[in-house]
Amino acid sequence: KAGVTQTPRYLIKTRGQQVTLSCSPISGHRSVSWYQQTPGQGLQFLFEYFSETQRNKGNFPGRFSGRQFSNSRSEMNVSTLELGDSALYLCASSTGDDRASYEQYFGPGTRLTVT
Amino acid sequence: AQTVTQSQPEMSVQEAETVTLSCTYDTSENNYYLFWYKQPPSRQMILVIRQEAYKQQNATENRFSVNFQKAAKSFSLKISDSQLGDTAMYFCAFMTLNTGNQFYFGTGTSLTVIP
Repeated sequence: KAGVTQTPRYLIKTRGQQVTLSCSPISGHRSVSWYQQTPGQGLQFLFEYFSETQRNKGNFPGRFSGRQFSNSRSEMNVSTLELGDSALYLCASSTGDDRASYEQYFGPGTRLTVT
Repeated sequence: AQTVTQSQPEMSVQEAETVTLSCTYDTSENNYYLFWYKQPPSRQMILVIRQEAYKQQNATENRFSVNFQKAAKSFSLKISDSQLGDTAMYFCAFMTLNTGNQFYFGTGTSLTVIP
């Protein structure tokens, strides 16, 4: 079974631009969660999507948004990029059958650099 | 508020020796899961071990075991017979049933296994 895939793996953007990251979960998984990883803040939860609906949300500004498609693939969008948005963005997939599916599988991440 | 604290930013251990990574957490919830994740330099997060809070018996997974002290809200990871492939960032995390798939992570411990 293929693992969680994220595209692109690396991205360089300029302040003020917007960016879209993609995550394809493991086949059969319906839940996708997104995390931002930075050296200073560690891993912070952005949001979770399940069956095309946002089911849970962390404490990030509205510039961070996401969506999920009917095939469970998810995209994350960051508008009006700031230097502080430079980070590794990880997504994790799980079956989502339970409200809390502790079997979460992480993708390799997208390294976003904002200049 | 849910918090996870890893007080050891960096650690090293000789190959074949044993090392213990510390983790404390804070939550008012009673039902939760605890995890240790490993992130090698390739960045793919891998689940090392998990512990259900309602289980008193400490989880073990081959060379990895935990010391779960619920009253003290402590969850340390012991790695026995350390191998070079154990070199990685180790993150302690927990998830409560009330917050769904939202994981709370510590800031990580960078472990280096010295040959």
